[in-house]
This record gives sequence, structure tokens and C-alpha cells, in this order.
Amino acid sequence: KAGVTQTPRYLIKTRGQQVTLSCSPISGHRSVSWYQQTPGQGLQFLFEYFSETQRNKGNFPGRFSGRQFSNSRSEMNVSTLELGDSALYLCASSSVGSYNEQFFGPGTRLTVL
Amino acid sequence: AQSVTQLGSHVSVSEGALVLLRCNYSSSVPPYLFWYVQYPNQGLQLLLKYTTGATLVKGINGFEAEFKKSETSFHLTKPSAHMSDAAEYFCAVSGNSGNTPLVFGKGTRLSVIA
Repeated sequence: KAGVTQTPRYLIKTRGQQVTLSCSPISGHRSVSWYQQTPGQGLQFLFEYFSETQRNKGNFPGRFSGRQFSNSRSEMNVSTLELGDSALYLCASSSVGSYNEQFFGPGTRLTVL
Repeated sequence: AQSVTQLGSHVSVSEGALVLLRCNYSSSVPPYLFWYVQYPNQGLQLLLKYTTGATLVKGINGFEAEFKKSETSFHLTKPSAHMSDAAEYFCAVSGNSGNTPLVFGKGTRLSVIA
């Protein structure tokens, strides 16, 4: 079974721009979660989508948004980028009844200049 | 609300020595507990998990952890460290409703000295 894939792996943007990151979950997984990882704050939960609906949301500003498609693929968007948005963005998928066991992708490294 | 505290941001052990990474959690509901490992430039890989049942949980690569409710702890151990164990380790907690997000600790970087 193919694992979670994330594209692109690396991104460089400038302040004020927007960015879209993509995540393809493991086949059959309907839940997709996004996390931001930084050296200072560690791993922070952004949001979770299940069957195209946002089921949980972390404490991030509205500039961070996401969506999920009918094939469970998910995208997250960050508008009006700030320097502090530089981070590794991780996507994780899980199946129903998996006791929250999540399978992570390799991440997208976003650098904001 | 849930939280995780990992004691020690950096732990260094000699090859062949015992590995002990500490994790304490806070949860208002019976928790599910996880340990993940992250190698450089990679995502997180699940080492082991506790949901219900046996409190001593065995995972991959020779790691195990014991859930101690009275101490609200879920420490990770391995009897003998290998060089390949050098990585970042994260403890995480979630509620047991099946749809609550994972809350991660800050992580512990393990170094293994030859």
C-alpha cells in the first residue's frame, strides 16, 4: 500500500504571497489531519478533515484554511504569508476506528522570505 | 483538555546502553497514547500505541512503553541502544472518542554515542 504523499516537498515564497499544499492519504483512509512543525512551537494541530468536512480545528488564524475532496485528497492554503509561517507542514491520514493511529507523510518544507 | 510533557529535550546514551525517554500526560478522559519517531527530513513514524488492555506495549525496533495511570506516565524504553536509534521522539495523547486530535509533546532528541 502506498503511503501518504505530500507535494511539493519544498517551497520558497515571499511575504504576502499565498501557498497551497497537497496531501494524498493512504488508500481507504478518510481522515486527513494537518500539522505545523517548527523548532520553537513543536508540532501543532491545524485541522482535520473527514469525508470532506472539517471535523476539528486548531488554534490558527483564518489565513490557514483547508479542504478535502471526494477522493479524500486534501489541500491546505495559507494566504498572506508571514515570516513566521516558515515550517514543516505535515499531513497525516487515518482510517475509521483506528484509535487515532495516524500515518504521516514526509512533509512540505515551506520557507518564507 | 490534554497535554504532554516530555522531560529532557535532548538525551544522550552510549551504544548498547538503556534508552529511557520520559513522557507524562494530562487528560480529562481515558487517553490513547502514542510514541512516534522522526528521522531527519522525514515525517513521523509510529513506534507503538496504547489504547486499552495490557499496559505494557511493545513496538517496532525493540522499543516498549508502559502505561501507568497512577503516575500519568508513558515512558519509552529500549534495553540496548543502536546507532540507528538516533532521531527525534515524540509522545502524543488523544482522547478515546476516536475523533479527537493528537496533542504532541515537544520532542526528545536522542543521540547515540559509539
